[in-house]
Order: sequence, then C-alpha cells, then structure tokens
Amino acid sequence: QQPVQSPQAVILREGEDAVINCSSSKALYSVHWYRQKHGEAPVFLMILLKGGEQKGHEKISASFNEKKQQSSLYLTASQLSYSGTYFCGTESWENYGQNFVFGPGTRLSVLP
Amino acid sequence: GAVVSQHPSWVICKSGTSVKIECRSLDFQATTMFWYRQFPKQSLMLMATSNEGSKATYEQGVEKDKFLINHASLTLSTLTVTSAHPEDSSFYICSARERGFSNQPQHFGDGTRLSIL
Repeated sequence: QQPVQSPQAVILREGEDAVINCSSSKALYSVHWYRQKHGEAPVFLMILLKGGEQKGHEKISASFNEKKQQSSLYLTASQLSYSGTYFCGTESWENYGQNFVFGPGTRLSVLP
Repeated sequence: GAVVSQHPSWVICKSGTSVKIECRSLDFQATTMFWYRQFPKQSLMLMATSNEGSKATYEQGVEKDKFLINHASLTLSTLTVTSAHPEDSSFYICSARERGFSNQPQHFGDGTRLSIL
C-alpha cells in the first residue's frame, strides 16, 4: 500500500526551511528518501532503518518514527538546487526482502 | 558510488514496433533489478521485479506478454515493449539494488523516454 506524503507541494524562498512527511499504514522496516528533478531519474538521499534514527546530509536530514510508522525529511536553509519532487519509499515488515513502495511525491520549488 | 546505466535515453518509433531497453549495473552485482513506469507529474509505478536467472515478477495489471523482461546476468536486465502503441508512451526507469539489498538503496538508471507515433 502506497505511503502518504504531505504536503503535496510547497514553494519556498531561498534560505527558508521545509518539512516533508511520509506515513504508512503498515509497520515499517525502512524508509528511503529520493529526489527527482524534471526529466531525470530519482537520486538517492538517505535510508533510515531504525526507529528514532536521524540522518543528515549537508542541510538535508531525516528522522524515522517507527512507532508512528512515519518519517520526516527536513530541508534547512533551502537552496535553488533543492527544487524537485521528493519521494519516500517505504519497506514494510510484511514485504520484507521485497521491493518498497514509493509515495506520491512532494513537489518542492525554491525561488530566488 | 554504484552506477546504473540505462540505454537508450530516447526512443521514437512507429506503432507496432518492439523496443528493447537495457539496464546495466556497472560496478556492482545486482541479483534484483526493478522496472518502473512514470507518467508526467506522477509517482513511480513498479511494473516488475527482475530476478537473475529466473522469471520476472510482474505487478498486478502489467501484461507480461507485452512487457518482456530478461535478467540474463548479475549486471544486465532488459525490458522489451512488444508491438508498442501510443498508449505505451511513457518514461521507463530501471533500478538495481546490491546483493544483501535490504539495507541498500536503489540506484536508478537515467530513464528511457519512449514515444510511439
């Protein structure tokens, strides 16, 4: 079952922060985050495996709340290059060892 | 880092033509590769999971006789769209995960934009 992402779209000014949420109705084993720019393939950002885990890459970080079956992606002091569609991919314990399911995406636009 | 090469990038052909798309993992072995289809402004829709040395597993609603998948080696999977029609026009993307993949991300190819006239 596809995870839910919110918001669907967000527009920011350069330097502003944003949070993208991803939630599932299933108990999750892992959450993956990807960014896709128009006309290109998705690019891997990070994977979260353990409840409570937080990871960061430059000014992009994420957390995984295993009990709530959700993850959040934090974009701090956004840059123009952050524009794109962000997808979470969730791997449930039910489908462990198989592929994960991508969310519908959150379209992020960073304006100068 | 892990690199997945997908070829061709663009295909424009007439209705009724069969089109083959290749997906290669260049610097790692991928026992499992995935094929996605994506329509404009939509999410990635998994079409099938390609397993080396065995038959592909197709998602519900995907015609296996229409979309032929072959995973001949640990580094190569192919998707053939047989007798393509305009409704098959889409962006097709492959991905691969390294062995022991449960803790590994998916690495995506650059995608193939297919246009059927």
